Amino acid sequence: DAGVTQSPTHLIKTRGQQVTLRCSPKSGHDTVSWYQQALGQGPQFIFQYYEEEERQRGNFPDRFSGHQYPNYSSELNVNALLLGDSALYLCASSLGDRDRYGYTFGSGTRLTVV
Amino acid sequence: LAKTTQPISMDSYEGQEVNITCSHNNIATNDYITWYQQFPSQGPRFIIQGYKTKVTNEVASLFIPADRKSSTLSLPRVSLSDTAVYYCLVGGTSGSARQLTFGSGTQLTVLP
Repeated sequence: DAGVTQSPTHLIKTRGQQVTLRCSPKSGHDTVSWYQQALGQGPQFIFQYYEEEERQRGNFPDRFSGHQYPNYSSELNVNALLLGDSALYLCASSLGDRDRYGYTFGSGTRLTVV
Repeated sequence: LAKTTQPISMDSYEGQEVNITCSHNNIATNDYITWYQQFPSQGPRFIIQGYKTKVTNEVASLFIPADRKSSTLSLPRVSLSDTAVYYCLVGGTSGSARQLTFGSGTQLTVLP
């Protein structure tokens, strides 16, 4: 049973560029959440997608956008990259939007902005 | 969203029982308490979740007193591979609980 799959695992981008990160949820899960984790910090919630709609959003600018496809996979897009966007980006999936059942996280995409 | 407070770091030796306490004074009636474990360059891994009293699974126990203002994660007989950051989270089942709010966590270091 595949867990959460994220791609790519590592990425280097130049300031001002745009990036797309991808996530395939765990089999049977229909909800995808994205988190940003800076070095030495806990993950910070970006947004969550359920039924192909953004259901909740954290304190992140509009440069961060996302999408969920009918097969429940998801993308995180970041425009006009800043040096401060360098972080580990984590995708978490769950059944429904309720923490009651616990979230399954992927191993993340390490984004470096230079 | 309820805020949590945990020790920044803890050290233990192999074979010992480790207890990590989390304070959550503003926990709401509908909130559950969840603990995650994270190794470097990996995503957090769900350990255990509870609402009240005691919950036990194959890797840990979670003790929650009657007032639910704190909780204690207990790891029996830790090994070197238990060295990780442990996060305590509180949240409900709807609304703003859709987002998990992580603090800085507790860095547990298991020594030989």
